[in-house]
Amino acid sequence: GQSLEQPSEVTAVEGAIVQINCTYQTSGFYGLSWYQQHDGGAPTFLSYNALDGLEETGRFSSFLSRSDSYGYLLLQELQMKDSASYFCAVSPYGGATNKLIFGTGTLLAVQP
Amino acid sequence: DTEVTQTPKHLVMGMTNKKSLKCEQHMGHRAMYWYKQKAKKPPELMFVYSYEKLSINESVPSRFSPECPNSSLLNLHLHALQPEDSALYLCASSQEPQGIEQPQHFGDGTRLSIL
Repeated sequence: GQSLEQPSEVTAVEGAIVQINCTYQTSGFYGLSWYQQHDGGAPTFLSYNALDGLEETGRFSSFLSRSDSYGYLLLQELQMKDSASYFCAVSPYGGATNKLIFGTGTLLAVQP
Repeated sequence: DTEVTQTPKHLVMGMTNKKSLKCEQHMGHRAMYWYKQKAKKPPELMFVYSYEKLSINESVPSRFSPECPNSSLLNLHLHALQPEDSALYLCASSQEPQGIEQPQHFGDGTRLSIL
């Protein structure tokens, strides 16, 4: 099976940088995605890594290392509105490319 | 507001009731999904429709019955649910992947409570 583990909670202050890790055990997957979900809201796609390395999208960056079974989401210049849950997700090989398995999720609290 | 619209936003029903959840998207996406999400947990995939055909059923109990009447609409028919089925039900859509993963666009969900 597949499992993706994330820290359950992370706290940081406005303006800081925070890294949310995702470690996984899976036989193979197409890529690593990140989704943000505010309390009571819809998950929103943030970033996707098909290949190893760093992908940057504005204040958010995402990293993947398949050899280390590890990825992370980096949030810079934190704002209060970044307080939300963050999920990594993969589409495992051997199945449809549109089958997403989500990580355990990280609740980020940004403090003033 | 999201581009995927789900109705109703909230639903309370008894265990003997029959109800339906509805989902609509007008982005031309040909893949649509139902997820179940319990509090403080990740979304769990239930069903995937690809070109209006059911392509994935994650061993969901038959008291949940999906339907895709056309490329823009997705329904989830509910019957004889159990209290443990109380959850947030999320609909999502995406471009049909062609060997690469496509980002999924989620609705705000229907918060379902079973009495």
